Amino acid sequence: GAGVSQSPSNKVTEKGKDVELRCDPISGHTALYWYRQSLGQGLEFLIYFQGNSAPDKSGLPSDRFSAERTGGSVSTLTIQRTQQEDSAVYLCASSLATGDYYGYTFGSGTRLTVV
Amino acid sequence: GDSVTQMEGPVTLSEEAFLTINCTYTATGYPSLFWYVQYPGEGLQLLLKATKADDKGSNKGFEATYRKETTSFHLEKGSVQVSDSAVYFCALSGLGANAGKSTFGDGTTLTVKP
Repeated sequence: GAGVSQSPSNKVTEKGKDVELRCDPISGHTALYWYRQSLGQGLEFLIYFQGNSAPDKSGLPSDRFSAERTGGSVSTLTIQRTQQEDSAVYLCASSLATGDYYGYTFGSGTRLTVV
Repeated sequence: GDSVTQMEGPVTLSEEAFLTINCTYTATGYPSLFWYVQYPGEGLQLLLKATKADDKGSNKGFEATYRKETTSFHLEKGSVQVSDSAVYFCALSGLGANAGKSTFGDGTTLTVKP
């Protein structure tokens, strides 16, 4: 597509429920990233997919968080048993195979609110 | 590890004023450096970048020069407009074991008043 598409744009969920966030990267971008932006904070790295390599999961805050990328394109970030501290804007970005050397293209984000 | 320190905000300026937002970094090696901008209600957009020392990135009247000797990448604009009101993030690219993972500053909120 023309840009990085994320859905839903907003999600309100009850504590303890599972949520799935979707990211559709720019066509031809082999690298895909998830970041989290909490209110008034910078961006926190979560996970990085590069081509067919094993993803770098070093930023996932707990085992309640997981992500997959199917067919080298669409990615889904899943949060199980959501907690209030999971409330944040979840940003997806993609880039060419060179990774972040030339910078990312970000989606508009999913604002997650856990009540 | 890698880190980025940005000038704390918020910054409030009058239209046509000169803007500087300071950014310094700590990294092993020579990362690429970036400024991203986040307008209200939108995602982050890459504003400008520099990939090696002494490079100057520029876009939309904004400039920043990669200064290896002072490990800085300060953002400047000669005459700001109301439409420049946004949050600005300085970032650096990952190297070595962190390849592919950019590190971001905490952001600086700029408000420009007419």
